[in-house]
Amino acid sequence: AQSVAQPEDQVNVAEGNPLTVKCTYSVSGNPYLFWYVQYPNRGLQFLLKYITGDNLVKGSYGFEAEFNKSQTSFHLKKPSALVSDSALYVCAVRVYSGAGSYQLTFGKGTKLSVIP
Amino acid sequence: DTGVSQDPRHKITKRGQNVTFRCDPISEHNRLYWYRQTLGQGPEFLTYFQNEAQLEKSRLLSDRFSAERPKGSFSTLEIQRTEQGDSAMYLCASSPSEGSKAYEQYFGPGTRLTVT
Repeated sequence: AQSVAQPEDQVNVAEGNPLTVKCTYSVSGNPYLFWYVQYPNRGLQFLLKYITGDNLVKGSYGFEAEFNKSQTSFHLKKPSALVSDSALYVCAVRVYSGAGSYQLTFGKGTKLSVIP
Repeated sequence: DTGVSQDPRHKITKRGQNVTFRCDPISEHNRLYWYRQTLGQGPEFLTYFQNEAQLEKSRLLSDRFSAERPKGSFSTLEIQRTEQGDSAMYLCASSPSEGSKAYEQYFGPGTRLTVT
């Protein structure tokens, strides 16, 4: 089955420390991968995507993600966490849903808490 | 670019009543998506439109749910005979179908439905 998994429900990190939010995927063919962030009572905001090319993708707000084909992973990273980064981070993968259509399948999300 | 808007932001209804939500996508986007998100979970795909054509519906979308996009601009999602299990955040997203941003979905703030 085509899917995406976020193994951690919650990640806590101290302000100023590097952060990693994990995502693994299972799709047939070349994966199209995405990260979104969701602040409380807000919709999802696009952070970055991997379609093809460099395995290290840079996105908004200083975030980056590393695509690793052999490990089927697309972990989100930031060198120095800010308190304002505290939010829900959701990984997504484009999956083929038949009849020429593709949809996004989302992970359940990882709640990031940055501690001052 | 005013972003994706949804109305209302919150809706409380009694079981058995009908409700209708509206989504206004980014004006130049011809694809529009509806998702449902429950607490602690990532969004689940419900349906999507390309222009006015509804191209796909998830099996999650029972016959009590119907969506329209009559002129290829705004869309409505109607739930008939609401049940308590329908309580969730209903998210709308839009994207272009071509170009470098074709795979990026931009989300509205959502409509939170509570069925009592």
